[in-house]
Amino acid sequence: KQEVTQIPAALSVPEGENLVLNCSFTDSAIYNLQWFRQDPGKGLTSLLLIQSSQREQTSGRLNASLDKSSGRSTLYIAASQPGDSATYLCAVSRGIGGSQGNLIFGKGTKLSVKP
Amino acid sequence: DVKVTQSSRYLVKRTGEKVFLECVQDMDHENMFWYRQDPGLGLRLIYFSYDVKMKEKGDIPEGYSVSREKKERFSLILESASTNQTSMYLCASSFVGNYGYTFGSGTRLTVV
Repeated sequence: KQEVTQIPAALSVPEGENLVLNCSFTDSAIYNLQWFRQDPGKGLTSLLLIQSSQREQTSGRLNASLDKSSGRSTLYIAASQPGDSATYLCAVSRGIGGSQGNLIFGKGTKLSVKP
Repeated sequence: DVKVTQSSRYLVKRTGEKVFLECVQDMDHENMFWYRQDPGLGLRLIYFSYDVKMKEKGDIPEGYSVSREKKERFSLILESASTNQTSMYLCASSFVGNYGYTFGSGTRLTVV
C-alpha cells in the first residue's frame, strides 16, 4: 500500500531564505505527483504537477523535483516571503483512471516564514 | 475564474439528522471527489465519481452516500449524522489524469 510521508511536520524560517520541503513515497510505480498549498481553514490549491516521466517542474519561485527510483520529491521555494506561510501537501497517483487515478496525500509540512 | 463551490461554509447539525453537502464545479471536469480532513489524520477520501451516475467508495465510506445526477454536481449525504462525523469536508474535481485538480473552500460540519 502506497504511503506518502512529509518531514518535517513544521518548519519556521526567516524571510528571504531559500528552503526545501521533502516528500517520500513507498511505491515508485506512480503516474504523477502534485504539490498543493493549503491556507488555514481553506481548501487546497494545486501548485505543481509532475508526470512520472519528468524530473522537475517550475512555476515562479517554486521548483518541484521528482526522483521516482528513490521515491522522493522536493519542493524548493526561493526567497521565501511571509505570504508563503501555509501547509504544503504532496500527493501521488498510481494511474490515470478510476481508483488508480486517486491521489494519496501526505500529511503536509506547515511552513511559517517570519518577517 | 474556475471554481468548485461548496454550498455551506459552516454547518451545525444534530445527531441523527440527514445532512446534505452540495458541491458544484464549472470546469467540465470528469472526476469529482469528497474528502474529510481531520487534525493528525490528514485528508481521507470518502467517495469519488469519474462520470455522471457513477460512484466509487473511497477509504472511509461508512455512514456516507453520494449522488451525481449531473456532471457538474456531486452531493455528499450523511444518512444519520453522528458526532464522529464532525469534520472539515472538502470537495474537489479534476480532469482525467488529475489535471486541473481544484478544491472547494470546504464545509466545517459540527454534529452536536
